[in-house]
Parts: sequence; C-alpha cells; structure tokens
Amino acid sequence: GQNIDQPTEMTATEGAIVQINCTYQTSGFNGLFWYQQHAGEAPTFLSYNVLDGLEEKGRFSSFLSRSKGYSYLLLKELQMKDSASYLCAVRSYNTDKLIFGTGTRLQVFP
Amino acid sequence: DSGVTQTPKHLITATGQRVTLRCSPRSGDLSVYWYQQSLDQGLQFLIQYYNGEERAKGNILERFSAQQFPDLHSELNLSSLELGDSALYFCASSVEGARGDYTFGSGTRLTVV
Repeated sequence: GQNIDQPTEMTATEGAIVQINCTYQTSGFNGLFWYQQHAGEAPTFLSYNVLDGLEEKGRFSSFLSRSKGYSYLLLKELQMKDSASYLCAVRSYNTDKLIFGTGTRLQVFP
Repeated sequence: DSGVTQTPKHLITATGQRVTLRCSPRSGDLSVYWYQQSLDQGLQFLIQYYNGEERAKGNILERFSAQQFPDLHSELNLSSLELGDSALYFCASSVEGARGDYTFGSGTRLTVV
C-alpha cells in the first residue's frame, strides 16, 4: 500500500519563502509529483522528481530523498496568487497511477 | 484548455439515480485515470484504463463502474447514488511512463440531493 503525509495548512507572507514537506511510504516507487490546485479547479502540474536531488523551475523547486521517503516543494517570492492547495503524489511502478496525499492548503497574506 | 475534456461540468440528481460522466483524453494519451474529490478532501484514485483495458483499481465502490472505448474516451457510471457521492470527479490522461505529463480535465461537479 501507500501512505503519503503532508501538513494540512500553512500560512506565509507575500514575498517570503515557504517549504511544504511530504513524506511517503510506498512499494514500487516510480516518481514523485507536485500539483497545484485552486479551489474547485483542476490540479495543474508543478514538478516531478524520480532521482534524489533538487529540481528547480522558476520560483518553484522540489527536492527528493528516496532513502528517507521525503520530498519538499519550495516556493520563493510568494505572490497572492500562490494561495492554493499543493498536492504531493507518488507514482506506482507497475501501473503508472498517481496516489495523492491529502494536500496542503497554503494561504499567502499581504 | 488542458486537452482533456470532461462532460458535463455540473450535474444535480436525486438519491437512487444513475449518472454517467464522460472523459475524452488528450490526443495521443492512452491512459485514463478517474479520481473523486469530496469537499476539502484529497484526490481519491478510483480506476485506471490503458488502451481499453482496466489497469488498476483503487477504492472504487461496487455501485461505480467504468470503461474505456476504442476511441479512448472513458465513461464513469455511478448508480444507486447516495448523498455522500456528491463530489468533484476528475479525469486525467497520460502517455504511459510519461515524465510528469498527467493532465487533468476541469472535472464534473456532482451534487446528489
């Protein structure tokens, strides 16, 4: 089976940096994904890690440690529009299905 | 437009009824995934199809069924509906083994009254 844990809620200030952590326990790991979801809308892809290390993409970076079952999403220069839920998902090796954590709701204040 | 089309966008129906949700994957994608998202909850994986065949099953109720047709569109059938089935239902598609290329449709919001 798979177990994915994220904090339920976080708050931050506009212009700041925030780190959202994700820990997972899974059999057959084949990649970790981060998605952003605004309320009532479809999730949109942010980043993907399959090897250990940091992947940087503009204001967003994601880190993976497979031995620790740990990932984080780093958001820099926060903007009000970054207020959303951030979903961590693990891909199954056998079937390619994505299993999602419950998501972290981030609120950015001015 | 993500390229994944879901219809209808909204559906209101009574308890005990049956509905069908439709998903057309992005052109070239062979895999279709169905997810349920209840209010303030995470995305719960229901079922996956690949090129017409069932590939993986999640916590899908026996009252729910799905299929993928030869043109690769998929339908999710929900029957004997209960109030607790009210949720957003998302469809996603991907090329098998793709690197981060899972694209979601805009969802169908089902309200059971």
